[in-house]
Amino acid sequence: GAVVSQHPSRVICKSGTSVKIECRSLDFQATTMFWYRQFPKKSLMLMATSNEGSKATYEQGVEKDKFLINHASLTLSTLTVTSAHPEDSSFYICSAREPTSGSYNEQFFGPGTRLTVL
Amino acid sequence: AQKITQTQPGMFVQEKEAVTLDCTYDTSDQSYGLFWYKQPSSGEMIFLIYQGSYDEQNATEGRYSLNFQKARKSANLVISASQLGDSAMYFCAMREGRSNFNKFYFGSGTKLNVKP
Repeated sequence: GAVVSQHPSRVICKSGTSVKIECRSLDFQATTMFWYRQFPKKSLMLMATSNEGSKATYEQGVEKDKFLINHASLTLSTLTVTSAHPEDSSFYICSAREPTSGSYNEQFFGPGTRLTVL
Repeated sequence: AQKITQTQPGMFVQEKEAVTLDCTYDTSDQSYGLFWYKQPSSGEMIFLIYQGSYDEQNATEGRYSLNFQKARKSANLVISASQLGDSAMYFCAMREGRSNFNKFYFGSGTKLNVKP
């Protein structure tokens, strides 16, 4: 299947700093990527849908100014957690649709980024 | 209302036995897709199986099969001949509609423990 990478896999930062997480589709072009957040032992919560060349669509309750999403190319979307605080500590997962993957449009997930804010 | 409901927070199964993980869904769309993903402790999401709303036969992928009961809106995952490596979180998900841009809804997950 198609491969999606995330970088970094783990990040620890001080409160108040900004952290950028990259999501790349390695062997296909993804016009749409999704960003999820997952708390320990909980389900994936969709944060936003990232569309190449346009503004991201955020889910209700997700702060746009807090979680900046940029989808500048067909293979790269970035999530920046601005002025991170301990409550932003979580597991962040991106996914991408591979348009030619078949009739059911499976999502391919990145390996996730574990963010810890001290 | 919850789009996807998984009522089993945790399940135990003996190695080599079969286990069923429950999933019910709620949608008014005629066209939708149902997915199961496995998430081991490493965190990656591994696609297991897919069932389309118009598929008449239950999907199967190796040891995984999906018991699709459309009238009951259920899409239970059956794992046959459980292995120790099957111990993980399992998530049921649904995509409404056919568009490539439609978002997925995930259930709360079931943690499966396979006992030797």
